[in-house]
Amino acid sequence: NAGVTQTPKFQVLKTGQSMTLQCAQDMNHEYMSWYRQDPGMGLRLIHYSVGAGITDQGEVPNGYNVSRSTTEDFPLRLLSAAPSQTSVYFCASNSRAGAISSYNEQFFGPGTRLTVL
Amino acid sequence: AQSVTQLDSHVSVSEGTPVLLRCNYSSSYSPSLFWYVQHPNKGLQLLLKYTSAATLVKGINGFEAEFKKSETSFHLTKPSAHMSDAAEYFCVVSDQGKGDKLIFGTGTRLQVFP
Repeated sequence: NAGVTQTPKFQVLKTGQSMTLQCAQDMNHEYMSWYRQDPGMGLRLIHYSVGAGITDQGEVPNGYNVSRSTTEDFPLRLLSAAPSQTSVYFCASNSRAGAISSYNEQFFGPGTRLTVL
Repeated sequence: AQSVTQLDSHVSVSEGTPVLLRCNYSSSYSPSLFWYVQHPNKGLQLLLKYTSAATLVKGINGFEAEFKKSETSFHLTKPSAHMSDAAEYFCVVSDQGKGDKLIFGTGTRLQVFP
C-alpha cells in the first residue's frame, strides 16, 4: 500500500491564480480531511469528508473548495490564491470501522508546501 | 468546545535523560487523545493514543503517556532520550461525540543534545 499520497510536493503561485492539490489513499478509508500547518499554530482542519459525495467545512474553510467523487481521491482547490494561504497542507484519512471511529488512527500524507507571492 | 494546550513550545534535553512534554485538554465529552510526531520535512506519525481502555498508554519508540482526568492532562514521557527523538510533537484531541475531527495543539519542539 502506498498509504496517503499528495501531489505536488512544492508549489509557488502568484496571487489570484488557482490550483488543485491532489490527495489519494489506497486503504479504502471512508474519512478524509485536509489540514494546513502554520508556524506556532499546529494543524487546522480546512475541510473533511465522511464518504464519497459528502463533504463538510472544518475550522478554516474560506478560500478552499473540495469534492469527493470517489473513495480514493479528495482534491483541495484554491480558487484565487492569496498570500495568507502560504502554508504546508496535509491530507489525512482514517477508517470509520468500529464502534467509535474517532479511536482510529488518522494516516497523514507527506504534505504540500505552497507559497503564494 | 474541545481544545488542547501544549505548555512548552520548546524542550531541550541531553541524550540519555528523561523527556517530559506537557499537554492539557478541554473536552465536553469523553475524549480520545493522541500524540503525533513530525520529523523535519516529514508527515505526521502516530506515537500513541488514549481511548478510555487504560489510563497509562504505551506507544512506539519507548514513549508513554498517562491520562489524568482530574488534572485534564495527557503528558508524554520517555525515560531516556535518543538523538533520533528530536522532532516536533503534537498533542491532539478528538471528541467521541463529534466524529473523527482532530484538534491539534500548537506543538512542542524537542531538541536532544549529545
